[in-house]
Amino acid sequence: EAGVTQSPTHLIKTRGQQATLRCSPISGHTSVYWYQQALGLGLQFLLWYDEGEERNRGNFPPRFSGRQFPNYSSELNVNALELEDSALYLCASSYDGQGATEAFFGQGTRLTVV
Amino acid sequence: KQEVTQIPAALSVPEGENLVLNCSFTDSAIYNLQWFRQDPGKGLTSLLLIQSSQREQTSGRLNASLDKSSGRSTLYIAASQPGDSATYLCAVSPWSGYQKVTFGIGTKLQVIP
Repeated sequence: EAGVTQSPTHLIKTRGQQATLRCSPISGHTSVYWYQQALGLGLQFLLWYDEGEERNRGNFPPRFSGRQFPNYSSELNVNALELEDSALYLCASSYDGQGATEAFFGQGTRLTVV
Repeated sequence: KQEVTQIPAALSVPEGENLVLNCSFTDSAIYNLQWFRQDPGKGLTSLLLIQSSQREQTSGRLNASLDKSSGRSTLYIAASQPGDSATYLCAVSPWSGYQKVTFGIGTKLQVIP
């Protein structure tokens, strides 16, 4: 069974541009979570999608947005990129949104803003 | 606000040693605690999940314990191997769900052959 897959693996963008990151959850998982891991910092919660709806977002500006498609895959969009957006972006999926089951993580997308 | 602290930040041990990684959290009202492994520049691999009603979980050479009342968890690694070298993260999930999970900064482990 395939795990959580993220694309692209690496992404280099110029300040002010837009970045789109993609995530495919494990089959049967309806909840998708996005996290930012900046160098030297812990994972910071960005967004949670479940059943196609945004359920919660972390303390990030509105230029961080996303969506979840009918097949439960998800997209994270970052507009007006800033240098400090450079980080590893991790996607996770779980069977439920209540934390009763394990969350499984993808390998991440390394976003570099120059 | 939940805070998760992991001590030590880094650890270097010779191959074959048994070792303990520590995780402490400030709010004991948790739903579960999960230990992850992260290789450099990679995603997280789930190692063990302990529900709040449990005291410990074991998987192979790994054993994780949870003392919710004191806000502590330990990850015990027996007979360490060079392949165990990675950063180990502790994550605490509240009753409101995984979207509110709080991660520690991690312990970077190096096992020397």
